Amino acid sequence: KAGVTQTPRYLIKTRGQQVTLSCSPISGHRSVSWYQQTPGQGLQFLFEYFSETQRNKGNFPGRFSGRQFSNSRSEMNVSTLELGDSALYLCASSLYRGADTEAFFGQGTRLTVV
Amino acid sequence: SQQGEEDPQALSIQEGENATMNCSYKTSINNLQWYRQNSGRGLVHLILIRSNEREKHSGRLRVTLDTSKKSSSLLITASRAADTASYFCATALYGNNRLAFGKGNQVVVIP
Repeated sequence: KAGVTQTPRYLIKTRGQQVTLSCSPISGHRSVSWYQQTPGQGLQFLFEYFSETQRNKGNFPGRFSGRQFSNSRSEMNVSTLELGDSALYLCASSLYRGADTEAFFGQGTRLTVV
Repeated sequence: SQQGEEDPQALSIQEGENATMNCSYKTSINNLQWYRQNSGRGLVHLILIRSNEREKHSGRLRVTLDTSKKSSSLLITASRAADTASYFCATALYGNNRLAFGKGNQVVVIP
């Protein structure tokens, strides 16, 4: 069974640009969550999608958005990039919502904003 | 708010020794999960322990959970060089897939 796939693995963008990251969850998994990891703030929750609906949102500005498609694949978008958005963005896939489900992570997308 | 919080340790041990790291959290949880991360790559799921469980084993891993103290520990027995990584605990609230992570423990296993 294939794991969680995130594309691209690496990105370099300029301040002010926007970026879209993609996540394909494990087959059959319906919940996708996104996290940002930086040396200073650690791992922070961005949002969770389940059945194409955003179920939870972390404390990030509106420049961070996401969506989920009917096949459970998810994308997150960051507009008007800032230097501080440089981070490792991780996607997690879960079978269900709640109910003690394990979350499996992809390899991440390393975003560098210059 | 941050839920899982590991003891801010950086462990350096010899191969074959045991490594123990701790995690504390603030509110009632549904479950607690431990993850490993190698050099800023993706998180590898190690083990999930439910709030009604006290101890769980998986291979060389042993996790305990004390809900009265709101704490958990991860023990890696007979460590190997390949265990060198950062280890994170993460807590999930009831009916919620949102994970709150601790700051992580850096473990270095010297061959």
